[in-house]
Amino acid sequence: SQQGEEDPQALSIQEGENATMNCSYKTSINNLQWYRQNSGRGLVHLILIRSNEREKHSGRLRVTLDTSKKSSSLLITASRAADTASYFCATDRFQGAQKLVFGQGTRLTINP
Amino acid sequence: DAGVIQSPRHEVTEMGQEVTLRCKPISGHDYLFWYRQTMMRGLELLIYFNNNVPIDDSGMPEDRFSAKMPNASFSTLKIQPSEPRDSAVYFCASSASGSSYEQYFGPGTRLTVT
Repeated sequence: SQQGEEDPQALSIQEGENATMNCSYKTSINNLQWYRQNSGRGLVHLILIRSNEREKHSGRLRVTLDTSKKSSSLLITASRAADTASYFCATDRFQGAQKLVFGQGTRLTINP
Repeated sequence: DAGVIQSPRHEVTEMGQEVTLRCKPISGHDYLFWYRQTMMRGLELLIYFNNNVPIDDSGMPEDRFSAKMPNASFSTLKIQPSEPRDSAVYFCASSASGSSYEQYFGPGTRLTVT
């Protein structure tokens, strides 16, 4: 069964705007990761946030984690056309566990 | 670094034929994962290996699917016999223990079974 569920399933915004995607999960986790997938390509790791962290930044990316609500959000600021892709959250459940469970993804389209 | 290498990139075969997908993980990575991605089911983990040993194959759909990792630099996923419902993109990924659990994905093999 899917651990992570992204919301919305699709998002279309204008270049320069901020994009926010959400992920909810069902069981306790050790880490939560976000990946990007460009059309026809493999997934690329963006950022990892640990269960004892609440917020993390990487360039134009900001990730938050609320373990009490079992949810995470990914914010992309000042979006660019190159950000057009699908974004997935992935969770692992145990310390040292390498197995990830991916959500269904959010398809983000940046309009020029 | 060449990244994870998969071959072939595209495979078209007829129902009932055997299909073999290949993967070369990143050198030094001790975990290797096989995923399947479809519109209906999303990204599913089929099986993963640690130090060439299968750890969890609970995602393998049925006995028609098998995976091997004869050495640290090569893995195969075999489907025999193939069926139209096996049509999907198959990804191989690798990661290193003791790291940040980040997985590195290959470009995928798009399989079409007619």
